[in-house]
Amino acid sequence: GDSVTQMEGPVTLSEEAFLTINCTYTATGYPSLFWYVQYPGEGLQLLLKATKADDKGSNKGFEATYRKETTSFHLEKGSVQVSDSAVYFCALSNFATQGGSEKLVFGKGTKLTVNP
Amino acid sequence: GAGVSQSPSNKVTEKGKDVELRCDPISGHTALYWYRQRLGQGLEFLIYFQGNSAPDKSGLPSDRFSAERTGESVSTLTIQRTQQEDSAVYLCASSLVSRGGNTIYFGEGSWLTVV
Repeated sequence: GDSVTQMEGPVTLSEEAFLTINCTYTATGYPSLFWYVQYPGEGLQLLLKATKADDKGSNKGFEATYRKETTSFHLEKGSVQVSDSAVYFCALSNFATQGGSEKLVFGKGTKLTVNP
Repeated sequence: GAGVSQSPSNKVTEKGKDVELRCDPISGHTALYWYRQRLGQGLEFLIYFQGNSAPDKSGLPSDRFSAERTGESVSTLTIQRTQQEDSAVYLCASSLVSRGGNTIYFGEGSWLTVV
């Protein structure tokens, strides 16, 4: 079945450092790919998404590019802030193989801590 | 309301008791999902509702878990004879249904502790 593998944390960075969180997936066909973020004490929020190969999702300075050749959707940010401290989840949905469901398959999450 | 609403936000129950968790999806969203997030773990899919179609129950971990949905609105997740391993955050989500790539919106979750 479909699956998502993301780098295990925790990740600790200093403010203004460059961030990469790796995510690879296994799926048939052409899934949609997502990054969700969970800030401390808050619910899960969509950060960005990409629905086809070579699409780049971006939001709040974060970017991720849908790479079908490497089955990857790595999350990057050029200069992290303390407020970016959160848990980040990579996920996919595979509408075509899920009987019309947008059911998300999640990675295990990566906890990011940014120190001032 | 503007977002997915869940209640209760926190529930402490004794082992062996039944619990009900409620979800109000975003108005107009026809798809509704339940997920479970154990401490330090990723999210596990539990069940999916879409309109009048039969629900996808493939993620329910045992027959102690069940869920219902009234039309295209409120859903209730019921856990019978709770066990300590049921302690987790139960997340409800909803989305529109179209041809792929829909954004799924999550509620803030119901934190269940079984003692």
